[in-house]
Amino acid sequence: DQQVKQNSPSLSVQEGRISILNCDYTNSMFDYFLWYKKYPAEGPTFLISISSIKDKNEDGRFTVFLNKSAKHLSLHIVPSQPGDSAVYFCAASSDRGSTLGRLYFGRGTQLTVWP
Amino acid sequence: NAGVMQNPRHLVRRRGQEARLRCSPMKGHSHVYWYRQLPEEGLKFMVYLQKENIIDESGMPKERFSAEFPKEGPSILRIQQVVRGDSAAYFCASSRGLAEGTDTQYFGPGTRLTVL
Repeated sequence: DQQVKQNSPSLSVQEGRISILNCDYTNSMFDYFLWYKKYPAEGPTFLISISSIKDKNEDGRFTVFLNKSAKHLSLHIVPSQPGDSAVYFCAASSDRGSTLGRLYFGRGTQLTVWP
Repeated sequence: NAGVMQNPRHLVRRRGQEARLRCSPMKGHSHVYWYRQLPEEGLKFMVYLQKENIIDESGMPKERFSAEFPKEGPSILRIQQVVRGDSAAYFCASSRGLAEGTDTQYFGPGTRLTVL
């Protein structure tokens, strides 16, 4: 069962424009959300996270928005740069119950930023 | 401050052989997680360990797979009698294990296992 979903397998954006990557989740127990960026043949690199007590977190060009009622989060990259081209994974975790510690990942969205 | 280290980066095994994957967590991290990524899929949780303890192994296949994180040395993911379906990228992550639930996991570069 896919508890974290990234419904867009790919996104293409022009350099300088905004990139918006979306993620939906089904488990209301999730209370911590993370975005990772991954280049081919490398491990995921942590980008930004957000706790369920917040609805927005910003770090430089990256902003994550969380809508708990809709069970939806998004990552905004402004302005987009060619070096941002990578696969972006959304992940979620819960600090309660038997699944404490594990991350649930979406399938990823391939972002391509063209000049 | 070195990141999470994994070795080998690439491992080729024939069916029936054993595969051993190693992971050294970041300095100051006492929690280790193993994930597997099959082609065209996201990462899937396998096991969560602390020093000398397996916290959650519910994501690991019941047979042929085992994991440990000894008091000294790296964490080891061991796959016995490998089959072609074990071919995947195996990622290790580590964290500090914060109690308040905002514990960020940092990933190593992965080991790409190919079973011939």
